[in-house]
Amino acid sequence: SQELEQSPQSLIVQEGKNLTINCTSSKTLYGLYWYKQKYGEGLIFLMMLQKGGEEKSHEKITAKLDEKKQQSSLHITASQPSHAGIYLCGADTSGNTPLVFGKGTRLSVIA
Amino acid sequence: EAGVAQSPRYKIIEKRQSVAFWCNPISGHATLYWYQQILGQGPKLLIQFQNNGVVDDSQLPKDRFSAERLKGVDSTLKIQPAKLEDSAVYLCASSTHSGSSDTQYFGPGTRLTVL
Repeated sequence: SQELEQSPQSLIVQEGKNLTINCTSSKTLYGLYWYKQKYGEGLIFLMMLQKGGEEKSHEKITAKLDEKKQQSSLHITASQPSHAGIYLCGADTSGNTPLVFGKGTRLSVIA
Repeated sequence: EAGVAQSPRYKIIEKRQSVAFWCNPISGHATLYWYQQILGQGPKLLIQFQNNGVVDDSQLPKDRFSAERLKGVDSTLKIQPAKLEDSAVYLCASSTHSGSSDTQYFGPGTRLTVL
């Protein structure tokens, strides 16, 4: 069974709009990682969350981990074309990486 | 600081042929991972090394896939013979150790097409 569910699968937003991507685990998380991937390229590390209730921000991207450490959200404020790509959440569910990944959310930002 | 290097970036082969991928991790990173990413899916772990020892290869199809990291630095992943379903992006990642707080950094990947 899929351990990590991401939603939505794809998202098209107008430039300047806000958006949220969700990642839900069937297990308690030791760590939750967010990566961005452009087509045909590797994964770029965005943020890592470990503690329940933790929230981190970088530029216009904010990631949160819920208190139960089973759900995370990635929020982008005032989206730009440079935000387009595939966003992947990766979970450490055993305390000893490697990571289990969701299927990704494909984000398109239109002018 | 140089990132994770992988080569080749692209490879096209016919089924039943052999292929090898190379990865050079970030300097000083003890842990190295190979992931397979099929189109539309998230990456799936194939094998994890800690220095030159294998930590987890439970999802590696050992009848056709092999990997080594002889000197605890560079690594090669081989497929012999390739099948159509092996078409995917092969990603190498490295981290300082293998703890839950050790971020994995990924290379650009090798896109394999099997015809």
